[in-house]
Amino acid sequence: NAGVTQTPKFQVLKTGQSMTLQCAQDMNHNSMYWYRQDPGMGLRLIYYSASEGTTDKGEVPNGYNVSRLNKREFSLRLESAAPSQTSVYFCASSRGAGGLYEQYFGPGTRLTVT
Amino acid sequence: TQLLEQSPQFLSIQEGENLTVYCNSSSVFSSLQWYRQEPGEGPVLLVTVVTGGEVKKLKRLTFQFGDARKDSSLHITAAQPGDTGLYLCAGTGFQKLVFGTGTRLLVSP
Repeated sequence: NAGVTQTPKFQVLKTGQSMTLQCAQDMNHNSMYWYRQDPGMGLRLIYYSASEGTTDKGEVPNGYNVSRLNKREFSLRLESAAPSQTSVYFCASSRGAGGLYEQYFGPGTRLTVT
Repeated sequence: TQLLEQSPQFLSIQEGENLTVYCNSSSVFSSLQWYRQEPGEGPVLLVTVVTGGEVKKLKRLTFQFGDARKDSSLHITAAQPGDTGLYLCAGTGFQKLVFGTGTRLLVSP
C-alpha cells in the first residue's frame, strides 16, 4: 500500500521552462490537494479537488494549473517557471473535503528554478 | 484570508524538558488539526479537536482547543529526541485546511 506518491522527487528548471508534477493515491480518496512549503510560511494551498471532476483555487494559484485526471491522479503544471516558484511541493489526499478528514501527504517534490 | 500564527517559531530544548506550542487566529474554526513533519517527509496527522475547550491526550502530548475555537496549544511532557520535527496546526476552512506557520522543535539528548 503506497499511499500518496509524487514524481519527480527533485527537479531543477530554468526560468521559463514548463513541467508537470505528478501525484497519485491508492486509498480511494475523493479529495486531493497541492501545497507549497516555503521556510517560515508553513503550507500554502495552491489548488484542490474536492471530488473527481472538480478543481478549485487555493491561496496561491497564480502561475499554476491542475488536472484531476481521474479519482487516483491529480497533476500540477507550471507553464512558465519563475524563481519565485522555487519551493517544496506536497500533494495530499483525504477521504472527504473539510477539517474532520485526515489529509495524507506524499513525500514532496523539491523544485529549484534558476 | 484566515491566518494561523504559531509561536514560538523555533524551540531548542534538552531531553526531559516540558514545552508548549501555541496556535492563534483571529478567526473561528469549526475544528483544528495538529500535524508533525519530519525532515524530508510530508506532514502526518497527530490529532483533530472539534469542540471548544476540548482537551485530548496522546501519550506525552496534550492538545487543547480554545473555548472560543480561535486558538489551540500543544504541550509535550518530558520531551524526547524522537519528538524533533516541525509541528503544524491547521484550521478548517470550506472544503480545505488553513495551515499555521509552523514551530520547529529540536530535542537534544
